[in-house]
Amino acid sequence: AQSVTQPDIHITVSEGASLELRCNYSYGATPYLFWYVQSPGQGLQLLLKYFSGDTLVQGIKGFEAEFKRSQSSFNLRKPSVHWSDAAEYFCAVGAIAAGNKLTFGGGTRVLVKP
Amino acid sequence: EPEVTQTPSHQVTQMGQEVILRCVPISNHLYFYWYRQILGQKVEFLVSFYNNEISEKSEIFDDQFSVERPDGSNFTLKIRSTKLEDSAMYFCASRGGTVLNTEAFFGQGTRLTVV
Repeated sequence: AQSVTQPDIHITVSEGASLELRCNYSYGATPYLFWYVQSPGQGLQLLLKYFSGDTLVQGIKGFEAEFKRSQSSFNLRKPSVHWSDAAEYFCAVGAIAAGNKLTFGGGTRVLVKP
Repeated sequence: EPEVTQTPSHQVTQMGQEVILRCVPISNHLYFYWYRQILGQKVEFLVSFYNNEISEKSEIFDDQFSVERPDGSNFTLKIRSTKLEDSAMYFCASRGGTVLNTEAFFGQGTRLTVV
């Protein structure tokens, strides 16, 4: 069965500082990996996705993520955080064999200090 | 930009009542999903729907739940007799029609409160 772990429940970062959110997954074959962001009271917006190919993927809002098969990780990064990046971030894994249902991690809530 | 639309945004219902949550997926999509997120918890898969039938469902999706695509545009989730523990945000999602098109688009959610 597929699973996703986001070890950090909360992260506080200063505006302008860099951000890295950790994600580890468990899946028997090559996974499809996603990062979604949820602002308070809002739905889930896709930040970026990895299917295959280049292991460093670029997304919207200046985010990027790197797939590392050897570490079963798909960490999300942003070089310089803006106050509007305060939100909850979810890593998810999907698989063709499972009808592409997504399995989500528990989420990481990011707080941005002025 | 095409989007998934869910109505209502918030619904309050009494325990034991039936509720129907509505979703309009993106028009050329073929795969449809419902997820839920209990407050403070992770987003959980409920059910996937393809070719007018359920393709997969989770343990959460028991006999109290049903899904339907009644008119080729709407995709509904019905809870027959709501329980307090059904209080959650319910997300609808849809996905395109090719194997490689694995990106799911989510609606804004319906917050269901059972009192």
